[in-house]
Amino acid sequence: AQSVTQLGSHVSVSEGALVLLRCNYSSSVPPYLFWYVQYPNQGLQLLLKYTSAATLVKGINGFEAEFKKSETSFHLTKPSAHMSDAAEYFCAVSGRDGYQFYFGTGTSLTVIP
Amino acid sequence: DAGITQSPRHKVTETGTPVTLRCHQTENHRYMYWYRQDPGHGLRLIHYSYGVKDTDKGEVSDGYSVSRSKTEDFLLTLESATSSQTSVYFCAISPRGDYEQYFGPGTRLTVT
Repeated sequence: AQSVTQLGSHVSVSEGALVLLRCNYSSSVPPYLFWYVQYPNQGLQLLLKYTSAATLVKGINGFEAEFKKSETSFHLTKPSAHMSDAAEYFCAVSGRDGYQFYFGTGTSLTVIP
Repeated sequence: DAGITQSPRHKVTETGTPVTLRCHQTENHRYMYWYRQDPGHGLRLIHYSYGVKDTDKGEVSDGYSVSRSKTEDFLLTLESATSSQTSVYFCAISPRGDYEQYFGPGTRLTVT
């Protein structure tokens, strides 16, 4: 079975500061991992995905994430936060032995001017 | 953007009434999903479909049923709506079961 834990339901950073959103997964098989972003009153948009190629994955809007098998982590980072990054972020895992995604409970990012 | 529409986008209904939400895709993807989103719970899978007339339950399927008679349409029915089903409902599609999912804009349902 797969599961995802997002540490910190709310994260605040200053504009220009590093963004770090944490995600740890549990999977019985090598997983596919995803980060999604949700802006207010909108659906989820894919930021980036890990599908067993490069462990450092680059996504849209300057975000990237690194797959660390030894730590079962897939943390999302961005070197310099912008006001437009304020949103809800979801980590998700899918197992290659199934057809379902498992989402974390989300992290709300606030960017302080 | 993936071609996914959801209808209605907003609905208010009374307890005990049946409600049907529609998800329509133009991508010809095999897999379709219904989620509900509630504060503190993230997204929880209600039902999913892996082909026409092929559906299965997710983790919160009680009180919901689905149907898929065409590739492009996936219907979610609340058989007798309850206040606990007040939520935002998202449809998603995927070309493969373990691949990235693409989400619709959501339906906000309020059960009074």
